[in-house]
Order: sequence, then C-alpha cells, then structure tokens
Amino acid sequence: KAGVTQTPRYLIKTRGQQVTLSCSPISGHRSVSWYQQTPGQGLQFLFEYFSETQRNKGNFPGRFSGRQFSNSRSEMNVSTLELGDSALYLCASSPIAGGSYEQYFGPGTRLTVT
Amino acid sequence: AQKITQTQPGMFVQEKEAVTLDCTYDTSDQSYGLFWYKQPSSGEMIFLIYQGSYDEQNATEGRYSLNFQKARKSANLVISASQLGDSAMYFCAMREANTGFQKLVFGTGTRLLVSP
Repeated sequence: KAGVTQTPRYLIKTRGQQVTLSCSPISGHRSVSWYQQTPGQGLQFLFEYFSETQRNKGNFPGRFSGRQFSNSRSEMNVSTLELGDSALYLCASSPIAGGSYEQYFGPGTRLTVT
Repeated sequence: AQKITQTQPGMFVQEKEAVTLDCTYDTSDQSYGLFWYKQPSSGEMIFLIYQGSYDEQNATEGRYSLNFQKARKSANLVISASQLGDSAMYFCAMREANTGFQKLVFGTGTRLLVSP
C-alpha cells in the first residue's frame, strides 16, 4: 500500500507570490491534516479535512487555506507569501475522523520564501 | 488548552543501551491519546507508539515502550537496545479523543544521538 505522498518536495518562492501544495493520502483514508514545522514555532496544526469538509482549523491567518477533493486528495494554498512562511509543511492522513488511529505522515514539502 | 513539554533538547546514548525520552503533558480532558513520532533528517514523521488515556497497560511496540504515569501526567518513551538508525528527532504529541478531530499538539522534540 502506497504511503502519503506530497508534491512538490521542495519549493522556492518569492515574497508576495502564492503557492499550492498537494497531498495524496493513503488509499481509503478520508481524513487529511496539515502541519507547519519551523525551527522557531515547532510543529503547528494548520487544518483538517474530512469528506471534503474542513473540520478543524489552527491559529493561522486567512492567507492559509485548503481544500479536499472527492478522492480525499488535499491541497493547501498560501497567498501573499511572507519570509516567515518558510517551513516544512507536513500532511497526514487517517482512516477515519477521531478514534485511536495514528496519523500517517508524508515526507513533507520544504518551502523557502526569499 | 493542551500542552506537551519535552525538557531534553538532546540526548546521547551508546549503541545497544536503553534510553528514556521524557514527556509531560497538560490537559483538562479525561479522554485523550498520546503519541510518539520519530523524525529522521529526511523530514518524514514516523509513528512509533500510541497510548490511550484509559489504557491500563503501558503500550509496547517492539523496542519501544511507553511509560505512562497518568497521575503524574507523564508519557516517557523508552527505547531498548539503541541502534545507530535511532538517531533522529523524537516528538511527543497529544490528541483529544472525544472531539473526533485529528489535531495533534506536539512538544518541542528531543534530538537523540546514538554513538557506536
């Protein structure tokens, strides 16, 4: 069974630009969560999608948005990029919402904003 | 609000020895889950072990065991017989169990270095 895949793996953008990151969950998984990891703030929850609906959102500005498609694939978008958005963005998928199941993480997308 | 505290920024251990990574948590919830993840330099978060707040026995997964002390709100990870490949960042995390949400709250991590 293929794991969680994220594309692209590395990305360099300029301040003010926007970026879209993609996450394909494990087949059959319907819940997708996104996290931002920076040296200063550590790992922070961005949002969670389940059955194409955003179920939960972290404390991030509205420049950060996401969506989930009918095949459970998810995208997150960051508009008007700032230097502080440079981070590793991790996507995680789960079989269901809630319960004791662990989350399976992808390899991440490393975003650099210059 | 939930909070995870990992007080050891770095730990050193020799190969084949056991090591304990500390984790304390704070929550007002009665039902929650505790996780440990390993993050190698490649960046991927690898699930290691899970402990539910109502589980009476400590969780074990191969060389990993979780020393769960509910009254002290601690969930320490014990790695037995360390291997060179265990060198990585280790994160403790918590999730509310009643909400149905998957949100994890992470600690700041501990960097483990295993020497030959």
